[in-house]
Amino acid sequence: DQQVKQNSPSLSVQEGRISILNCDYTNSMFDYFLWYKKYPAEGPTFLISISSIKDKNEDGRFTVFLNKSAKHLSLHIVPSQPGDSAVYFCAASHTTGRRALTFGSGTRLQVQP
Amino acid sequence: ETGVTQTPRHLVMGMTNKKSLKCEQHLGHNAMYWYKQSAKKPLELMFVYNFKEQTENNSVPSRFSPECPNSSHLFLHLHTLQPEDSALYLCASSQDMGYQQYFGPGTRLTVT
Repeated sequence: DQQVKQNSPSLSVQEGRISILNCDYTNSMFDYFLWYKKYPAEGPTFLISISSIKDKNEDGRFTVFLNKSAKHLSLHIVPSQPGDSAVYFCAASHTTGRRALTFGSGTRLQVQP
Repeated sequence: ETGVTQTPRHLVMGMTNKKSLKCEQHLGHNAMYWYKQSAKKPLELMFVYNFKEQTENNSVPSRFSPECPNSSHLFLHLHTLQPEDSALYLCASSQDMGYQQYFGPGTRLTVT
């Protein structure tokens, strides 16, 4: 039973365009969400997070949107750059319960020059 | 050293061998984690330690044995592994559980 799902295993976009990565979750107790980026042969690195009390969080070119009613979040990267090519993982936690992160299976983003 | 370090980076072992993976965090965090990443699968949480106490064992087979002597060090002792245990093993740490975790580079394990 996968509680965090990333249904698109891969995504290809042109440099300068917007990249939209999607994530769905099933556990309504999740109240904190994170995005991680992973390059080959490296551990995941934290990108951006959002608490369930918000519906949007922005950090430079990266914006995360949260739709609690749909149990859906998305990561927007604008403009996309070739260096953004990596695997992106969505993660969620229940900060007052089982607080360990639950990860999705990842989406491989390829930004074409 | 900064961040989270893991040694070795690569390990090849036979099914009868005993080996250990080491993780060290230099961030002053109080929680540490072991994850397993197999090809095309989500990161699977294996063990959680909070203030050196194991708070979660995610139904991991006993051939994997964790050890957390202090808040900065975490080990994963391996014995009589199976070929399907071949994966990338990642260590992470965090100041508070449930929030941002910092990952090490991982150990690529191959069981022959």
